[in-house]
Amino acid sequence: QLQLQESGPGLAKPSETLSLTCTVSGASISGSSYYWGWIRQSPGKGLEWIGSIYYGGSTYYNPSLKSRVTLSVHMSKNEISLSLSSVTAADTAVYFCARPTFYYDSSDNYNWYFDLWGRGTLVTVSS
Amino acid sequence: QSVLTQPPSVSGAPGQRVTISCTGGSSNIGAGYDVHWYRQLPGTAPTLLIFTNNKRPSGVPDRFSGSKSGTSASLGITGLQAEDEAYYYCQSYDNSLSGVVFGGGTKVTVL
Repeated sequence: QLQLQESGPGLAKPSETLSLTCTVSGASISGSSYYWGWIRQSPGKGLEWIGSIYYGGSTYYNPSLKSRVTLSVHMSKNEISLSLSSVTAADTAVYFCARPTFYYDSSDNYNWYFDLWGRGTLVTVSS
Repeated sequence: QSVLTQPPSVSGAPGQRVTISCTGGSSNIGAGYDVHWYRQLPGTAPTLLIFTNNKRPSGVPDRFSGSKSGTSASLGITGLQAEDEAYYYCQSYDNSLSGVVFGGGTKVTVL
């Protein structure tokens, strides 16, 4: 059964770079044609898409975060990583690893939805 | 402020039907992008409830239904149960923002 587990430091200092890891179990990243992604949820707030990455390396980022975000796939470890630079208190959130399904509809629009989520990990940005 | 607009809360008595709206615009739902729905219980991760406007993943009861028309979509819950108390989020894609967008979420309360 495919499972996702986020890990990383629960505390980051302002201006630092936040690094999180999502470990995939129950399936090989390199043996599938899946996309992988990250979504965050600030305390008491809604969901915000951070970005998605194809196992082959193609990346798709939220334009509002693009200048600070890097997603990577580490096939040998079966992991996906998230790096977010120059963090501020506004980046305090629960960060979820999620598996997106990507498809084209009859109008040739590309669509995403997230059919598997990790439990999430809380990251607090504070000095 | 979310790109997709949902009512902050809806409520209903056990057994009743409630509907949650999700209103977008010409660059997302109105452009033809599909709408998906998630349920989030307190302290847990969201789970997929409806995908591609009206499809249910295996295990989701047929009490849950989705529809889309124009620039809006809606989620319906019939036979409301206490376990349905949760937050519900809609999600789509926006070609102006070039990214996935979510609604602000709706809290469903069972009276």
